[in-house]
This record gives sequence, structure tokens and C-alpha cells, in this order.
Amino acid sequence: AAGVIQSPRHLIKEKRETATLKCYPIPRHDTVYWYQQGPGQDPQFLISFYEKMQSDKGSIPDRFSAQQFSDYHSELNMSSLELGDSALYFCASSLVGSGDETQYFGPGTRLLVL
Amino acid sequence: AQRVTQPEKLLSVFKGAPVELKCNYSYSGSPELFWYVQYSRQRLQLLLRHISRESIKGFTADLNKGETSFHLKKPFAQEEDSAMYYCALSGTGQAGTALIFGKGTTLSVSS
Repeated sequence: AAGVIQSPRHLIKEKRETATLKCYPIPRHDTVYWYQQGPGQDPQFLISFYEKMQSDKGSIPDRFSAQQFSDYHSELNMSSLELGDSALYFCASSLVGSGDETQYFGPGTRLLVL
Repeated sequence: AQRVTQPEKLLSVFKGAPVELKCNYSYSGSPELFWYVQYSRQRLQLLLRHISRESIKGFTADLNKGETSFHLKKPFAQEEDSAMYYCALSGTGQAGTALIFGKGTTLSVSS
């Protein structure tokens, strides 16, 4: 079965640069979520979208923005990168109203800020 | 406040021994509880959800609302069970609700 796809898998940026992470949900899933997992940390929720509208918001810095497009894929835009942004960024997807709203996770994008 | 507590950072057992990874939660409504497993910082994989009440890879978890617990159990641990285990909670009733994770427990199974 198709899973959540994230690209790129690895990304190296320098301080103050920008980065764009992409997430392609499981086909027919209408909700995407973004999480950040720092080294040795548990995943922290950033933001979610349902039917292309922002649904829930967590600890997402103002330097970050995200959106969900008409084909349901989502992009996380990160500007003015800081060393502390180095982390594994997970995207998850789910299908609302299906009786199984489990969040299924992608492989993550590993971002390193130098 | 919504919170998931996993009191053990590391659980080390021998192969064939029983395993119990503890999870307690705090939530004002009726949450959904999950266990996710992560091997070597790879993707988070769903292991169990309390609604389905199924057993995956020999693991089971029962939601105890009185004790607000959702402990993960396996009667005989295997070396391939070594991984990071996260207990997570989700509220119900709103699309796109975030998962709240515990700090995770590293399970190490040795022979």
C-alpha cells in the first residue's frame, strides 16, 4: 500500500537560509500534519491542515509557514534558519470521518543547519 | 492539561522475558490512545490503537480509564523488539487534531 512520501530525505542548509519540505499524503487522505523531532526528543506537533484549511496549530515558529494544496500535498516553508532548527521533520496523514483517523507517518526529512 | 507520561526512559530485558512499557495520560475528555514504534530514528510506525483492541507482533495494550493508563505489554520479548516506543494521545471530535507524544521509552532486548 502507498505510504506518506516526504522529500527531500536529507537537507543541509546554512544559517539564515530558507528550506522547503514537501509531503505527499496517502492517496485519498485529506489531512496532513507536521511534526518536528529534535535529537533525542519526542515529536512535537507543528501544524495540521484538513481539506486545505489550517486545522490545528502547535509550536510552529513564526519563521515557518505551511500550506496544503488542491492535490492535498503539503509544503513546510522555513525561513531564517537557525542551528536549533536541525531536526527530523515528519509529515503524517489521515482520513477524517473514515472511522480510522490514525495518523500514518512518512519517513521524515532530516534537516541539518550549519 | 493534556499530557502523556512514560516514566521509564530505558527498559532493558533479556530475550524471552515479559515486557511492560508504562503510559499514563491526562486528558479532560475521551481521548484516543496509540502506541507508535520507531526503529533507529526511522519513521514512526503505528503499533496499536486502543479502539481496535488488536494484538500486533505479540503486543497488547488495554485502556484503563480509572487509572488513566495505556500500558503496552508483551509476554515474551524478542531481540527485534528493540526500539523506541512512544505512547500518544489524540483528542476526538475535530479534524486534524494533533498527537501528543510521551517522551518515549527505549526498549533494549538482549540475548
